[in-house]
Amino acid sequence: GDSVTQMEGPVTLSEEAFLTINCTYTATGYPSLFWYVQYPGEGLQLLLKATKADDKGSNKGFEATYRKETTSFHLEKGSVQVSDSAVYFCALPNAGGTSYGKLTFGQGTILTVHP
Amino acid sequence: NAGVTQTPKFRVLKTGQSMTLLCAQDMNHEYMYWYRQDPGMGLRLIHYSVGEGTTAKGEVPDGYNVSRLKKQNFLLGLESAAPSQTSVYFCASSRQAAYEQYFGPGTRLTVT
Repeated sequence: GDSVTQMEGPVTLSEEAFLTINCTYTATGYPSLFWYVQYPGEGLQLLLKATKADDKGSNKGFEATYRKETTSFHLEKGSVQVSDSAVYFCALPNAGGTSYGKLTFGQGTILTVHP
Repeated sequence: NAGVTQTPKFRVLKTGQSMTLLCAQDMNHEYMYWYRQDPGMGLRLIHYSVGEGTTAKGEVPDGYNVSRLKKQNFLLGLESAAPSQTSVYFCASSRQAAYEQYFGPGTRLTVT
């Protein structure tokens, strides 16, 4: 079945450092790929998405490129801020069968940014 | 637009009590979902609906029931709460299957 694997965390960085959170997936076909962010005490928010191979999703300084050849969708940001501290989830929707778009999530990566 | 809203935000139940969680969306989405989030377990799908009047089981449906009488509302019921149902519950909706889902703020439920 479909699966998503994220890099093990947590990740601790200083402000203005470069961020990479790795995400690889196994899926049937070529589904859309998503990154969600969850701030403390809140629900999940869609951060960015890519709908086909080689697409680059971007939002709030974050970027991720849909790499079909390496089945990856790594999240990057050039200069993190304290306000980026949150949990980040990579996810893909089941594209067929009886799952009706159920999202398969990675385990989540906790990011803490220090001043 | 309010997006996806959930009520209540917090609830404490005793074992054996019942309750209903309400999810509402104002985006005219067809698909709605109920997830639970537990430490170390990520998000797991409880039930979902592909349209008004329809419901289906997800990964962890036991102990829960759902109803979708109106397109904009998706109710999650616990008939006899158990401590294992202590969790944070999230509702989500999407325009179609395989599209991005929009999440509510969550309900934190504690069963003692």
